[in-house]
Amino acid sequence: EPEVTQTPSHQVTQMGQEVILRCVPISNHLYFYWYRQILGQKVEFLVSFYNNEISEKSEIFDDQFSVERPDGSNFTLKIRSTKLEDSAMYFCASSVQAQYEQYFGPGTRLTVT
Amino acid sequence: AQTVTQSQPEMSVQEAETVTLSCTYDTSESDYYLFWYKQPPSRQMILVIRQEAYKQQNATENRFSVNFQKAAKSFSLKISDSQLGDAAMYFCAYRSVNTNAGKSTFGDGTTLTVKP
Repeated sequence: EPEVTQTPSHQVTQMGQEVILRCVPISNHLYFYWYRQILGQKVEFLVSFYNNEISEKSEIFDDQFSVERPDGSNFTLKIRSTKLEDSAMYFCASSVQAQYEQYFGPGTRLTVT
Repeated sequence: AQTVTQSQPEMSVQEAETVTLSCTYDTSESDYYLFWYKQPPSRQMILVIRQEAYKQQNATENRFSVNFQKAAKSFSLKISDSQLGDAAMYFCAYRSVNTNAGKSTFGDGTTLTVKP
């Protein structure tokens, strides 16, 4: 069964450093998403992406964040200058259409020290 | 904006028994989707069940079923014949059909413990 993959599974970085989190969505899916989950808290929407542009973004997704689909398979989330409060699990998800179920990747645990 | 509320931070159930997890939501829309996701200790998000608001029939997936009460804006999950592997955090989620963004709004989650 096709699945969403994410790399790395765990990333440790120092405050102020740039990180790129990578995702490979399911191949025939057209809509891509990033969510984050701070430990012990709810899953929060960051951004949705379709047709090579952002469809919607949350208040969390400020100028420090960016997304890109650099080729036909990868979907990346970049945090330009990480802060301690960016420490969280970041989930990538994809769906065939916006209204259909989203399939989540296994997540990348980001630790900012 | 839509909100999703899970009023039970923790629930426990005896193995083989039945448990119901509650979820309420607030929306002004008439058509939308509702989901239950399971998050085991591995933190992977696994889709358990989905319900379209326009369907009156409650969704069922094996031991998992929902009680969807549209007027009351309630969407509870019933797990029958609970198994040890059902122990996890369960999240209720809402998604509008009136947007191409596909954003899901999640509740705070309910931690389910299954006792042997």
